[in-house]
Amino acid sequence: EDKVVQSPLSLVVHEGDTVTLNCSYEVTNFRSLLWYKQEKKAPTFLFMLTSSGIEKKSGRLSSILDKKELFSILNITATQTGDSAVYLCAFPAGSGNTGKLIFGQGTTLQVKP
Amino acid sequence: DVKVTQSSRYLVKRTGEKVFLECVQDMDHENMFWYRQDPGLGLRLIYFSYDVKMKEKGDIPEGYSVSREKKERFSLILESASTNQTSMYLCASSSPGGSNLNEQFFGPGTRLTVL
Repeated sequence: EDKVVQSPLSLVVHEGDTVTLNCSYEVTNFRSLLWYKQEKKAPTFLFMLTSSGIEKKSGRLSSILDKKELFSILNITATQTGDSAVYLCAFPAGSGNTGKLIFGQGTTLQVKP
Repeated sequence: DVKVTQSSRYLVKRTGEKVFLECVQDMDHENMFWYRQDPGLGLRLIYFSYDVKMKEKGDIPEGYSVSREKKERFSLILESASTNQTSMYLCASSSPGGSNLNEQFFGPGTRLTVL
């Protein structure tokens, strides 16, 4: 059965800290891994990763995939209070292209001033 | 700009009531999804649809049904609401031909409380 596990489940840091969020997976037919950020409302897309070792970067956020060890990390440098959110990773599930995603439990990040 | 809208942000219902949650997307997406989100459990898929009048069960379909009569609209129905269906409900849509394959676009969510 396909599954994805995120760690830690919650994290409290102070502004300026660097955080690393982990997403481990077991997928029978891996195609891609997606990261989302969810503040008070709708999750918003951050990155999609398909290839091992290639870093995706957007400002202070970056992510990389390790297909051998079956995990991805999301790094946030110089954290700000606006980074406080739930971070979700997900991957496409099932055969075909229904667009179905399986999500991890999420990591709740709180950045204190 | 892509947009997914949900009929209500907050909803309070009583046990046994029939509840309709509506979701509309304006992106001409083929795929639409209903999730519920509970603390510590992440997003769990209730039902999804990959075409008009087509639907498939997700991981937790019990107590729910769906309707997709038009491409842009996907409705979630709670036939007889129960207190354990108190949750945040999120709708999403995607297109198999999207630039980021499998990227889903989410609505703002409906926080449903069943008393």
